Amino acid sequence: QVNLEESGGGVVQPGRSLRLSCAASEDTYSGYVMHWIRQAPGKGLEWVAMIPSDDRPEKYADSVRGRFTISRDNSKNTVYLQMNSLRPEDSGIYYCANGGSFYTLFWGHGTLVSVST
Amino acid sequence: QSALTQPPSASGSPGQSVTISCTGTSSDVGGYNYVSWYQQLPGKAPKVLIYEDYQRLSGVPDRFSGSKSGNTASLTVSGLQAEDEADYYCSSYAGNKILFGGGTALTVL
Repeated sequence: QVNLEESGGGVVQPGRSLRLSCAASEDTYSGYVMHWIRQAPGKGLEWVAMIPSDDRPEKYADSVRGRFTISRDNSKNTVYLQMNSLRPEDSGIYYCANGGSFYTLFWGHGTLVSVST
Repeated sequence: QSALTQPPSASGSPGQSVTISCTGTSSDVGGYNYVSWYQQLPGKAPKVLIYEDYQRLSGVPDRFSGSKSGNTASLTVSGLQAEDEADYYCSSYAGNKILFGGGTALTVL
């Protein structure tokens, strides 16, 4: 059974930081590329970042490169998204998903981030 | 403006077929065999229907099918059912990133 559970969302002021976590079951995590995708309120989907299961480099959307960092802890089957210098336009639901380098397969239920004064 | 272009809405009656298009460029849709299609029910997380242009994810009804011609990919839903009413998104690998379409709201009349 696919199990991806995001956490760490909340309300934060512009310019501050937040770290999201995505805990996965072993069979949902091991060997998979892990992705973060976000959805602004009432808007469409935007791919944010991905991290391979091996030593290949992670990749980022232009809109977050230099501010967000994706990482993974294989001992905990968990992927993280460190978000710094947050902006109001970063608000939305953040989903984690597994898949390959070029696509996603299974998604979590998401965690809500709101960047506001 | 989204990188991939989808019609904002589509509709069909129960039992009919409807096709949703997703237009990109030779740098994304037309350049790789990595178009995916997603269904998002109201208030729910997106669910992958199709990946690698036409591969149906396990458990997805065969009423859903994907195809591609040049820079345009298509999702066809055959034998429309009431529970198919949802938002549908396409995505494509685009070299070091993944692009999404703006989404299509499918209404079952």
